Amino acid sequence: GENVEQHPSTLSVQEGDSAVIKCTYSDSASNYFPWYKQELGKGPQLIIDIRSNVGEKKDQRIAVTLNKTAKHFSLHITETQPEDSAVYFCAASSNAGGTSYGKLTFGQGTILTVHP
Amino acid sequence: DVKVTQSSRYLVKRTGEKVFLECVQDMDHENMFWYRQDPGLGLRLIYFSYDVKMKEKGDIPEGYSVSREKKERFSLILESASTNQTSMYLCASSSPLAGDTDTQYFGPGTRLTVL
Repeated sequence: GENVEQHPSTLSVQEGDSAVIKCTYSDSASNYFPWYKQELGKGPQLIIDIRSNVGEKKDQRIAVTLNKTAKHFSLHITETQPEDSAVYFCAASSNAGGTSYGKLTFGQGTILTVHP
Repeated sequence: DVKVTQSSRYLVKRTGEKVFLECVQDMDHENMFWYRQDPGLGLRLIYFSYDVKMKEKGDIPEGYSVSREKKERFSLILESASTNQTSMYLCASSSPLAGDTDTQYFGPGTRLTVL
């Protein structure tokens, strides 16, 4: 089955700096890569995702890049703000054959702290 | 607005007790999932269901069972709770028919402590 590795486990930055979180996956059939943000006391919430037919996607201050050859993808947050402090999870899934039922394999999570 | 609710935010049970965790979604989603979240291990899938009365094992099903009698409700059952089942439990739902077919919507979680 799929295995997703996420690094770093903790990341501390100053407000205004950029933050980068990286993930690698093992199943070459994976074709969907979402990122979830979990704030304290809440469940994870999707913030951005990318499919295997594109290499980069951007939404305001966040962007995700995908390298299918190397089987890794990254989350980039620019101009970080204290409200970006949270736990971030990457995930991967494969819809090959149409029987995945939307299953996701998650990484271990990154605790991001943005200092004012 | 999309909503997934879980019956309890905090739960304390004793070893050997039977424990029920309930999850309800109001989005008419076909797929529902149960995860446990542990520090350093991320979210691990316990069971999922893609239709009423249908269930599939995830990556760590041992010690758990599930029930889905109605489309909106997915229950996680710990037949005989053990201390190593102390964890945060998260429920999620998604729909293959919605515009964002792969997005999972999560509940706030239940923090279960087994003494």
